[in-house]
Amino acid sequence: GAGVSQSPSNKVTEKGKDVELRCDPISGHTALYWYRQSLGQGLEFLIYFQGNSAPDKSGLPSDRFSAERTGGSVSTLTIQRTQQEDSAVYLCASSSSASPTYNEQFFGPGTRLTVL
Amino acid sequence: GQQVMQIPQYQHVQEGEDFTTYCNSSTTLSNIQWYKQRPGGHPVFLIQLVKSGEVKKQKRLTFQFGEAKKNSSLHITATQTTDVGTYFCAGPAGAGSYQLTFGKGTKLSVIP
Repeated sequence: GAGVSQSPSNKVTEKGKDVELRCDPISGHTALYWYRQSLGQGLEFLIYFQGNSAPDKSGLPSDRFSAERTGGSVSTLTIQRTQQEDSAVYLCASSSSASPTYNEQFFGPGTRLTVL
Repeated sequence: GQQVMQIPQYQHVQEGEDFTTYCNSSTTLSNIQWYKQRPGGHPVFLIQLVKSGEVKKQKRLTFQFGEAKKNSSLHITATQTTDVGTYFCAGPAGAGSYQLTFGKGTKLSVIP
């Protein structure tokens, strides 16, 4: 069916506010990833979910960042007490593969977060 | 930790010229993936290489995986304006890891 969807597409918030970013992966994809991309930069891994396993949170930059995945499908990335350096595009990707060797990732359009 | 380096960071070419971007990993990779991100868009998977010395072609694009599985290249023959974008390579963050480490990308500009 449809590809990976993310909402909102744009989010402007004030420093210190909390934000929630949503990702809807491709139906049936067991793996879900969150990345952060600052302007003109590469992709910074944040967190990875695979099925019902404990998530790999090794990329989260601080304890202000958290993510959950409900029912093995939709995921929400929450940033508490946002800072200006959190401004970036947050990309979600999903993969159907249960193998680390063959795990093509399908990316959503991203959420552009601007912290004033 | 593992590092994935890409060079060059930027490349400006005249339409019709060839283009090559190189990717080098600090560790041996089980596989390497390439993605393209158009301006204002999101990364789109191009290809995955798994075997040592593997070469794959997609029309004007040629992908190579080094014999030691630590480096890779993407070569575009006779660039077109549609090739504009940033090309990223990515490899597993560790043995058996599902996490990908992305290079910083090569941004290609094509002058018509």
